[in-house]
Amino acid sequence: DGGITQSPKYLFRKEGQNVTLSCEQNLNHDAMYWYRQDPGQGLRLIYYSQIVNDFQKGDIAEGYSVSREKKESFPLTVTSAQKNPTAFYLCASSIRTSGGEQFFGPGTRLTVL
Amino acid sequence: ELKVEQNPLFLSMQEGKNYTIYCNYSTTSDRLYWYRQDPGKSLESLFVLLSNGAVKQEGRLMASLDTKARLSTLHITAAVHDLSATYFCAVEPDSNYQLIWGAGTKLIIKP
Repeated sequence: DGGITQSPKYLFRKEGQNVTLSCEQNLNHDAMYWYRQDPGQGLRLIYYSQIVNDFQKGDIAEGYSVSREKKESFPLTVTSAQKNPTAFYLCASSIRTSGGEQFFGPGTRLTVL
Repeated sequence: ELKVEQNPLFLSMQEGKNYTIYCNYSTTSDRLYWYRQDPGKSLESLFVLLSNGAVKQEGRLMASLDTKARLSTLHITAAVHDLSATYFCAVEPDSNYQLIWGAGTKLIIKP
């Protein structure tokens, strides 16, 4: 079955820790995205990548980092510089590098202890 | 500034009623997407609208796009409880590749 997987489903972080959220897709999509969603709010773009070894900052990139070493994988690291990381994190992909319909993974819920 | 405005942001309605959610946007675009999100879950693609006048229907939901008015509508016919969710529209501007998201419309349908 083709799709997008995210792990873990739930993640707890202590103050000052870096944590990495996994996103993998087997759809052969070129572009991948990371969004943050706060309770009762819409989506905000953190980072996106249109091709391997290249990525761009979105609207709220501060305190986050990404890599795109393989087409299938786009991990997101939430660094200690992100002061309020508690949120629902969604990974998405699209077939085209130039936009198009985005398909979403199941999400990771991150809570800071 | 590129903006996508949905209204209403919250809607509580009775089963069996009809209603429309509106999605207005501020840029030129002929590509618009509707998504559904259930509480605590991810987003699911509902409709892809790729040209002026496009109309798509799935069950009790129908979406349309008027690129001249920069307006999309999501119409609910004879609402049922299972349609309770948050609905997002997203616009793909002609000028760049990133989707611009509306704030979402939280729909509650009471039995």
